[in-house]
Amino acid sequence: DVKVTQSSRYLVKRTGEKVFLECVQDMDHENMFWYRQDPGLGLRLIYFSYDVKMKEKGDIPEGYSVSREKKERFSLILESASTNQTSMYLCASSLRGTSLEQFFGPGTRLTVL
Amino acid sequence: AQKITQTQPGMFVQEKEAVTLDCTYDTSDQSYGLFWYKQPSSGEMIFLIYQGSYDEQNATEGRYSLNFQKARKSANLVISASQLGDSAMYFCAMREGQQASGGSYIPTFGRGTSLIVHP
Repeated sequence: DVKVTQSSRYLVKRTGEKVFLECVQDMDHENMFWYRQDPGLGLRLIYFSYDVKMKEKGDIPEGYSVSREKKERFSLILESASTNQTSMYLCASSLRGTSLEQFFGPGTRLTVL
Repeated sequence: AQKITQTQPGMFVQEKEAVTLDCTYDTSDQSYGLFWYKQPSSGEMIFLIYQGSYDEQNATEGRYSLNFQKARKSANLVISASQLGDSAMYFCAMREGQQASGGSYIPTFGRGTSLIVHP
């Protein structure tokens, strides 16, 4: 059974803290994605990676960075968390191809106080 | 302009009835693909169905079918015989023909439709 796991389901942090969200997939997928989901706004892409050490900015990269040192792991980093980064964060992975769907993790609900 | 528009923020349907969730898209590409995902309250997005722009027939997967009308640029999801477990958010997504870095295609998501199935 294919799997994408995220390190935490719920996380509470304070303003200014450095926050790490980890995502691991066991499907040997080339592509990995970080999305932010807010009510009424759908999914917005923060960053994506198409290979180890390769990353591309998505639609809303400000305030975030990413790291992909191993193929199976894609980390999202909030260097200095702010209250407007309170949100649901979804990680996804996919094979490289045109008709291939993304597989999503369960999400991390982050609250920044 | 939004590339994917889901005009129904919320929908209600009676159990065992069919329901259509609307999705319109905007692209000038000839080659593109359309996806539907379901997100239950647990949070995990689940892939439901895919339609390629060159596919002649509407995609079907069990109780899910995609009503693809290319000229109207619509890709509505039809759920037949609704079940209580169908209550969830539903997202339409599109990947266009232009490749991103690494030969990858990045989908764009709509804002979603919340479906509630009543017993």
